[in-house]
Amino acid sequence: SQELEQSPQSLIVQEGKNLTINCTSSKTLYGLYWYKQKYGEGLIFLMMLQKGGEEKSHEKITAKLDEKKQQSSLHITASQPSHAGIYLCGADIEGSSNTGKLIFGQGTTLQVKP
Amino acid sequence: DAGITQSPRHKVTETGTPVTLRCHQTENHRYMYWYRQDPGHGLRLIHYSYGVKDTDKGEVSDGYSVSRSKTEDFLLTLESATSSQTSVYFCAISQPLGLVYGYTFGSGTRLTVV
Repeated sequence: SQELEQSPQSLIVQEGKNLTINCTSSKTLYGLYWYKQKYGEGLIFLMMLQKGGEEKSHEKITAKLDEKKQQSSLHITASQPSHAGIYLCGADIEGSSNTGKLIFGQGTTLQVKP
Repeated sequence: DAGITQSPRHKVTETGTPVTLRCHQTENHRYMYWYRQDPGHGLRLIHYSYGVKDTDKGEVSDGYSVSRSKTEDFLLTLESATSSQTSVYFCAISQPLGLVYGYTFGSGTRLTVV
């Protein structure tokens, strides 16, 4: 079973619509990272959340961390074709073990139709 | 990404041949990681290093070995490549930022085993 579950696995939305991607951990989260990836390219760092209730925004993308639920959500407002790609959540679930290892969810593929 | 380079970017090799991928950093970061990315699996950790000559296995280490003889270089070797190792390989580096880590990912190496 996956320690970090992302949902949905794929999403097709009409341009201008809002959407949400969820990332749920089966273990305690010490840091939650969101990345975006264009097909065939590397990972682009979006945001990092550390504390429960924390919320961060970058342009039209907002991410929140719900510590009680061990879950993070990524919300895109008024989606644009430039938002298309693969969204990955990564988590540090070991905290003080100090290896810095990240585990990742399966990824969510987003298509935005003009 | 600036500070971390992977080589080669693309490689096609035959089943049973040895292959070495190189990750080079100029950031003097202590931690380095090798991940593989496959559809439906996100990124999975192969091996990681927490210092020169200090390495450990990740969740999908079978068939892979690593070496780190210098801070700046982390090598991933497939001793005898198999078709199941066809994948995109990402190297990452990290440094502690208080209680969390800051990560930088390389641009990836696309490996095809025929």
